[in-house]
Amino acid sequence: EADIYQTPRYLVIGTGKKITLECSQTMGHDKMYWYQQDPGMELHLIHYSYGVNSTEKGDLSSESTVSRIRTEHFPLTLESARPSHTSQYLCASRDGTSGVYETQYFGPGTRLLVL
Amino acid sequence: KNQVEQSPQSLIILEGKNCTLQCNYTVSPFSNLRWYKQDTGRGPVSLTIMTFSENTKSNGRYTATLDADTKQSSLHITASQLSDSASYICVVSDRGSTLGRLYFGRGTQLTVWP
Repeated sequence: EADIYQTPRYLVIGTGKKITLECSQTMGHDKMYWYQQDPGMELHLIHYSYGVNSTEKGDLSSESTVSRIRTEHFPLTLESARPSHTSQYLCASRDGTSGVYETQYFGPGTRLLVL
Repeated sequence: KNQVEQSPQSLIILEGKNCTLQCNYTVSPFSNLRWYKQDTGRGPVSLTIMTFSENTKSNGRYTATLDADTKQSSLHITASQLSDSASYICVVSDRGSTLGRLYFGRGTQLTVWP
């Protein structure tokens, strides 16, 4: 079982609210990722980080922002939630030391519903 | 365009039976292929990972095969159990960038009935 945690697991919130989804890992991984996943669809990369103070946008355009002040912590923030943000958000980390056998470990996900 | 296609989209089998899930990809250059299991409401968990030089890898009742020439992979589940009910996701990594970018399939939703 991977040591990567996400909170909250479920969140129902009204339009226009600011929310922060938390992600923490205790494996000391430098690489961390945020994915968005809708039911029956593939995961889409929305943000990634190679280490402290390093953040990049992924493939899927997202109105969210991320920060990486500590290695173990990679929070995602939505300044003003909208119904179109309703989705499952998965955080992941990767060890970066195993070459082609690198494994990406996923957190349990946060299911967000914006009313 | 790099893509990962999985079939079937969904599958229902009886407990104890075997099944095989398919993955075709067009990702190039190729680095590795992973199969993940994702339980409902949970994050994906890695089952197997194979590089281009490996053509089979097992993890308990799960056996993955890879044909790098035809760009096809399969995941065979033996003697299925109720706990095998989940989405199985094929993920291919390229080696064309330092990111080692991952390409995700949409998954096969497997339901095992008693």
